This record gives sequence, C-alpha cells and structure tokens, in this order.
Amino acid sequence: EAGVVQSPRYKIIEKKQPVAFWCNPISGHNTLYWYRQNLGQGPELLIRYENEEAVDDSQLPKDRFSAERLKGVDSTLKIQPAELGDSAVYLCASSTQWEGYEQFFGPGTRLTVL
Amino acid sequence: GENVEQHPSTLSVQEGDSAVIKCTYSDSASNYFPWYKQELGKGPQLIIDIRSNVGEKKDQRIAVTLNKTAKHFSLHITETQPEDSAVYFCAAITASKLTFGTGTRLQVTL
Repeated sequence: EAGVVQSPRYKIIEKKQPVAFWCNPISGHNTLYWYRQNLGQGPELLIRYENEEAVDDSQLPKDRFSAERLKGVDSTLKIQPAELGDSAVYLCASSTQWEGYEQFFGPGTRLTVL
Repeated sequence: GENVEQHPSTLSVQEGDSAVIKCTYSDSASNYFPWYKQELGKGPQLIIDIRSNVGEKKDQRIAVTLNKTAKHFSLHITETQPEDSAVYFCAAITASKLTFGTGTRLQVTL
C-alpha cells in the first residue's frame, strides 16, 4: 500500500512569491491534516479535513494561507504571498478517524523563502 | 490549549544501553499519547502509543509508561542500536488535536 505522497519535496522561492504544495493521502483515509514543522521543533497543525470539509483551521494564517480538498481526496495548501518566516517543512498526514487513531505522515515539502 | 514539554532535547547513549525520554502534558482531558520517530528527510512515523486507561505498554525493545495523576509519560528504549538514532517526538491528543513535544535527538554510538 502506498503511503502519503507529497510534492514537491523541495521548493525555493523569493519572498512575496506564491507557492503550492500537493498531498495525496492513503487510499480510504477520510481525514487529512496539514502541519508545519519549523527547524528543531515538533509539527504544528495548520488544518484538518474530514472528507472535503475543513473542520479545524484555527491555526491557519488565513491572510496568506489557503487550502482545499476537492472531492475529499487530494489536497493543496497554498501560500500567497510567501514571507521569510514561512520557511519550514510542510507535512501532510492522513488517518481513518481523527481522534485516537494513527496519523500517517508524508515525507514533507521543505520550503525555503529567500 | 494543550502544552507538551519534552526532555532531554539531545541524548547520546552507547550501543546496547537504554534510553529514556520524558514528556509532560498540561490538559487532563488528553487521552491518547503517541510517540513518533523522525529520520532525516522523512516524516514522523508512529512507533508506539498509549491510551489514558493504560499505565504501560511494551513492544519488543520499546516501552511507554503513563502517569495520569502526574500528567507525564515516558519512552524507554532498551538494547539501543545505531538504527535507533533519530529524533523522537511525544504527542498528546485533546479535542481531536495532536500537540507535539519539541523533540529529542537520540544518538546511539558504537
């Protein structure tokens, strides 16, 4: 069974440019998460989807971040415009349920904003 | 919200020795405590978890203990091997949100 797929794996952009990350969860997982992991820190939740509905986006900086999960499968996370402080690893995870069930993480996208 | 503290931030042990990582949490409503291992360039991978109705769980060389009264839980790795070298994160779930600790970099030396 394939794991969580993310692309691109690395992205380098200049500040004020837009960037998008893509995630394909494990087949059958209805819950999808986007996390941000700063260097030397644990992942921090940005948004959680149950199927196509965003049920927890309280930590998503909505002025520049947006996300969508069309048809309840793949998801895209976008930043526009990017700032220097957005440099981090963006992780996607999926699970069959949202509480008390294992979250499977993808390899992440390492974003560098110059 | 939940706050998870993790210690130590770095840990170096010799191969064959044991390693212990400790975490504390703040929200008494937390009921699920997973431990993740993250290798360089990879996403975190679950290695063991424990629920609030259990005090201890063991899986081969890995064990986790939970003290709900004191709000702390620990990861124990016995007979460490070089492939155990990685960053380990504890986490706690409260109201469907997973909060991670700051991580422990474990180095197993030959």
